[in-house]
Amino acid sequence: GAGVSQTPSNKVTEKGKYVELRCDPISGHTALYWYRQSLGQGPEFLIYFQGTGAADDSGLPNDRFFAVRPEGSVSTLKIQRTERGDSAVYLCASSLSGLLADTQYFGPGTRLTVL
Amino acid sequence: EDQVTQSPEALRLQEGESSSLNCSYTVSGLRGLFWYRQDPGKGPEFLFTLYSAGEEKEKERLKATLTKKESFLHITAPKPEDSATYLCAGPRGGSQGNLIFGKGTKLSVKP
Repeated sequence: GAGVSQTPSNKVTEKGKYVELRCDPISGHTALYWYRQSLGQGPEFLIYFQGTGAADDSGLPNDRFFAVRPEGSVSTLKIQRTERGDSAVYLCASSLSGLLADTQYFGPGTRLTVL
Repeated sequence: EDQVTQSPEALRLQEGESSSLNCSYTVSGLRGLFWYRQDPGKGPEFLFTLYSAGEEKEKERLKATLTKKESFLHITAPKPEDSATYLCAGPRGGSQGNLIFGKGTKLSVKP
C-alpha cells in the first residue's frame, strides 16, 4: 500500500514569507506526527495529532508554527514569517493508533530552505 | 532529562566485517525502543521495536538487543547496501507520541 507522502519535496522561500507543508498519512492511520531534522541531527518532535486534535504540541518552537488536521487525515504544517533558522527537513509520520510505543512510519520529508 | 545517545557517530567497515552500534537511553519509564534506518535524502525507515530487557529481534544481517540501559544493533557480515545512518529513539517520558531520537550512527561499508 501507499506510504506517507509529503508535498512539496523541496521548498525555497525568502525570509519573512509564509509557507505550508502538506502530509498525507497512510490510509487508516489515526495518529500523525511532525518532526524537524537538521543536518547531522536526529529528528526533533514538533506536534502529534490523534484524529483531528493535537494531542501534544510541546515541540512547536514558537507561535510562528501551527499545524492542522481538520478531517483527521491530511495535515498541514504552517510557518509564518519564516526565518533562516527554520531551514531544515520537515518529516511527517503516521501510526495506526497512536497508542504507547505504536510504530511511526515516516514520509520522505520536505526540505525547506529559507534564504 | 530524557536523553538518547548513540555511538559511534560514524563507523567504517569492510564488507563482511561484523560490528555493533550502541544506543544508550535515559528515558524515565522506557516503554519501547525503536531502531530506524535513514538513507540520504529520505525519511527514516522502520526496522525494529524492542519493549523489554532481554528482547532480541532480527532482520537479515541485523539483530537488535535491549538491556535495562542500552540497546545494540549488531550487523553481521555487512554489505555495501547496508550503508546508511541508523537512528534509535524512545518515547519521551509522560508522552505517547513524542519520540526522542539520537543523532544516529553513519555506517559506511566498503566493498
